[in-house]
Amino acid sequence: DIQMTQSPSSLSASVGDRVTITCRASQSIGNCLSWYQQKPGKVPDLLIYAASSLQSGVPSRFSGSGSGTDFTLTISSLQPEDFATYFCLQSHSTPHTFGGGTKVEIK
Amino acid sequence: QVQLQQSGPGLVKPSQTLSLTCAISGDSVSSNSAAWTWIRQSPSRGLEWLGRTYYRSRWYNDYAVSVRSRIIFNPDTAKNQFSLQLNSVTSEDTAVYYCARSTGSARMWYYDLWGRGALVTVSS
Repeated sequence: DIQMTQSPSSLSASVGDRVTITCRASQSIGNCLSWYQQKPGKVPDLLIYAASSLQSGVPSRFSGSGSGTDFTLTISSLQPEDFATYFCLQSHSTPHTFGGGTKVEIK
Repeated sequence: QVQLQQSGPGLVKPSQTLSLTCAISGDSVSSNSAAWTWIRQSPSRGLEWLGRTYYRSRWYNDYAVSVRSRIIFNPDTAKNQFSLQLNSVTSEDTAVYYCARSTGSARMWYYDLWGRGALVTVSS
């Protein structure tokens, strides 16, 4: 199975901060990576697919980059509604595997 | 509007079978551009992909190795739904179970639609 290592596992940030979350795959996955946001008690919500494509309806402050083994999710200016947990997911090979999550908390 | 409606018991006894159903509205379980997936989430295991079923001229099932020996997916075209059966459950199978649609092709898949999730507890 492809292992997805996400970092950091948590971070504290203020409204307006630029936030960067990384995901590293244990082998090359091309651009077969997507990012999700999950709020407590809610369903994961797709933000980014194909490593850098913004899902329809997602604010442009979210962006993704990377290919191969190293990927980044960036929130350019953190908003109050962005405090949540973020997950990456690789779909290059089955089983599709998730990162361990990054919890973004209010500083 | 496309929706996934999950149903099934929230409590299952150890060694018994966990059964969940996901009813699809606004899309087709036989879609040639989607796959229908079960994912679970627990504090100890995080998000875990259990497998998928999809139709490309015939039905395909992919299962996670960790559950392959005791899991079955059943697409039901008449009811436009798919189901999960997980046999011989233990407390390790206690989790929130999600059904989800993945869209894409080849190796590029992404999960753009999720059911609301169902907490299933394995306990006597």
